[in-house]
This record gives sequence, C-alpha cells and structure tokens, in this order.
Amino acid sequence: AQSVSQHNHHVILSEAASLELGCNYSYGGTVNLFWYVQYPGQHLQLLLKYFSGDPLVKGIKGFEAEFIKSKFSFNLRKPSVQWSDTAEYFCAVNARHYGGSQGNLIFGKGTKLSVKP
Amino acid sequence: EAGVAQSPRYKIIEKRQSVAFWCNPISGHATLYWYQQILGQGPKLLIQFQNNGVVDDSQLPKDRFSAERLKGVDSTLKIQPAKLEDSAVYLCASSLFHDTQETQYFGPGTRLLVL
Repeated sequence: AQSVSQHNHHVILSEAASLELGCNYSYGGTVNLFWYVQYPGQHLQLLLKYFSGDPLVKGIKGFEAEFIKSKFSFNLRKPSVQWSDTAEYFCAVNARHYGGSQGNLIFGKGTKLSVKP
Repeated sequence: EAGVAQSPRYKIIEKRQSVAFWCNPISGHATLYWYQQILGQGPKLLIQFQNNGVVDDSQLPKDRFSAERLKGVDSTLKIQPAKLEDSAVYLCASSLFHDTQETQYFGPGTRLLVL
C-alpha cells in the first residue's frame, strides 16, 4: 500500500530563512506528486504538482519542489520565507496506471510552519 | 471560477444522532471525492464518484456512512448514527478529468464535533 511520510511535524523559522520540508513516499510505480498548503482558517490549496518531465517544479509564491525518484522523495523548498507563509503543508501522492490515475490521494500528516516576523 | 462549495461549515451533534453534509463541485468537474481529516492527520479518502457512479468506496464505513451523487453534480455524505471518533473535518474535492494528470481542488470543509 502507498504511504507518505512527512518527517517534520512543526518547523519554526525566522523571516528570510530558507525552508526545506521533507516528503517521502512508498510506491514502486509511477506517481503524481503534490504539495498542498492550508493557511490558517482557509481550505487546502494546491501549491505545486509533478506529473512528468523536469523533476524540479516551481509553484506559487516562490515555492519549488524536486522529485528524486531514486530516493522516493519530493521535498519542498523556498529560499526565503515570509511571515505570510505560516501555514500547514501537506505532501500527497497518487499512483498512475495506464489510462489514468488512481485518483485516491494519499496524504502525509502535514508539517506546520511557523514563521516569526 | 467558483470553487468547491460545502455546507454547513460547522456542525455539533451528540453521539448516535445523524448528520448530513453537502458538496457542490466546480462546474463541469466529473470526479468528486469525500475525504475525512482527523485532527493532526492528513485527509483520508472515504469515497470517490465519477459522474454519479461510485469508483472507490473501499474505505467508507458503510455501516454508518453513506454518500450519493444524484445527477452527477452535487453530493451528500451522511453519518447515521454518529460516534465520537467521527469528529473530524469532512472535505469535498473535485477534478475535471480522471486521467494521468488529474488535479483535485478542495472545498473549505465541514468541521464536525460529536459530543
């Protein structure tokens, strides 16, 4: 069965610090990879996604993620965080099969990011 | 473009009562999902619809949970009777196509508290 691990439960950074949130998944086949963000009081929003091609994907608000197939990882990065990046970040995976995706997104437990002004 | 709509946003009930949640997906989205998110965890799929047919309900506790998607648009999720462990946020998501590059868009969720 697929699973997603986010190793950091809560990360606290000062503004302008660099961010890297870890995400590892377990599935031997082809996958689609996602990062979603949930700002306080708001709903889950798509931050970025990887389907195929360039393993370095860029998302909104200066975020990027790198897919490393050999490590089953899809870590999220941002060179310089802002107070407004305070939110909970979820990594999600779904399996790809011939003719379509499995549909079911498997989520990690989430990482809370607190950015101190 | 309007997003996924859900109602109510909050619901407090006592155990053994019943409750229903409503979801209106993004216009034209054929695929609809219900997820359960328990505090401190990521969302977990309950049921997936493609138009008005069920694609996957393997993780739906069918003794107490039911869902339907009449006419392939709106959907309702019902819990009867509710248990304390059903306290969670219930998320609805929709996607345009069920293909290799499917992206799911989430609604604001319904926060349920069972006392």
